[in-house]
Amino acid sequence: DAGVIQSPRHEVTEMGQEVTLRCKPISGHDYLFWYRQTMMRGLELLIYFNNNVPIDDSGMPEDRFSAKMPNASFSTLKIQPSEPRDSAVYFCASSLGIQKAFFGQGTRLTVV
Amino acid sequence: EDQVTQSPEALRLQEGESSSLNCSYTVSGLRGLFWYRQDPGKGPEFLFTLYSAGEEKEKERLKATLTKKESFLHITAPKPEDSATYLCAANSGNTGKLIFGQGTTLQVKP
Repeated sequence: DAGVIQSPRHEVTEMGQEVTLRCKPISGHDYLFWYRQTMMRGLELLIYFNNNVPIDDSGMPEDRFSAKMPNASFSTLKIQPSEPRDSAVYFCASSLGIQKAFFGQGTRLTVV
Repeated sequence: EDQVTQSPEALRLQEGESSSLNCSYTVSGLRGLFWYRQDPGKGPEFLFTLYSAGEEKEKERLKATLTKKESFLHITAPKPEDSATYLCAANSGNTGKLIFGQGTTLQVKP
């Protein structure tokens, strides 16, 4: 398996623009997580899905953030409108049950 | 509130100088304690899972241990290639929610 695949790897956008991050989890995994990593706050869990259903989105910073998982092989995290404080590395991870999670390489987002 | 705290934030060792990293956790219904390694510009890479107090896991120069309140990652005779950030995470309850600590950045000098 190719592992968790995220795209794009880098994204630079202007404040106010919409940003969409994409994730393909490992085939067969039933949990999918979206994390944000910054120097100040470390790895923060934004939202996670179980069998494509959002279970806990309490980590989503505000209404500008939304996530979807239309099927077992694809998920998106959208920020609209984007702000400079959203600049961070966003990671997607997947796992089979309550076991070790496998992480993608991340998307480095810069909002100018 | 579920929480995971790691110490120290940063650690500098000479090659061959053994040490330990600490991870303290307070989570409801711990379902697993995980250690990850993260290299710059990459995603966290899984190292170990511990499920119950007293359990130990080993991999090369690394050994992870677990008590009811904390976990330790022992590094024996480290090499420069062990330099990385080590992250600890606790799985809370039945939900599969992984809560991470802030990490310990380890630098091993030759």
